Amino acid sequence: ETGVTQTPRHLVMGMTNKKSLKCEQHLGHNAMYWYKQSAKKPLELMFVYNFKEQTENNSVPSRFSPECPNSSHLFLHLHTLQPEDSALYLCASSQGGRTTDTQYFGPGTRLTVL
Amino acid sequence: LAKTTQPISMDSYEGQEVNITCSHNNIATNDYITWYQQFPSQGPRFIIQGYKTKVTNEVASLFIPADRKSSTLSLPRVSLSDTAVYYCLVGDGNSGYSTLTFGKGTMLLVSP
Repeated sequence: ETGVTQTPRHLVMGMTNKKSLKCEQHLGHNAMYWYKQSAKKPLELMFVYNFKEQTENNSVPSRFSPECPNSSHLFLHLHTLQPEDSALYLCASSQGGRTTDTQYFGPGTRLTVL
Repeated sequence: LAKTTQPISMDSYEGQEVNITCSHNNIATNDYITWYQQFPSQGPRFIIQGYKTKVTNEVASLFIPADRKSSTLSLPRVSLSDTAVYYCLVGDGNSGYSTLTFGKGTMLLVSP
């Protein structure tokens, strides 16, 4: 599946580091999402962007800062993270911003915070 | 907000048909039912979506009874590669994404 790509695939960072996760979709979609999946926990929706505008922020701590410069790119800027933020971070896109639209997921970034 | 309930896990053998049922007792008139599949350390992948009766594609079938309070994902003749977590989602396309939750899903283990 190459429709949605994420970089890096693996990231190890200290609590004082600043890093960014990148997501790119090649499907011509208008909506993009960030999810967090911790070990043995359900997927947690973090942010939703529709036509570059943020439409959902599920009470995510400010140490996670999303950026959507255009409909094809989505970033997640990370700073002063905690060890409990270690997880698989998944990006997804869909044609529109409706919850019934099929979401296409990227392979994820495995983040480890030391 | 339509919550969903699925079995935590299921076991099967290669070549068998697997049916995973999802309960959504308070499904709303405009809600659709969508199923995703997730392999370890990968993002979920869309399988099938339906509103009522039966939907079939090249991968699976989705059975929805008249009252729509449950739905059953049917996987014909599973193989080892069908071992994954299967999620049932219910949403109406208009509510906010905070209403669309993946839940814990059903872990399907297919053995030889």
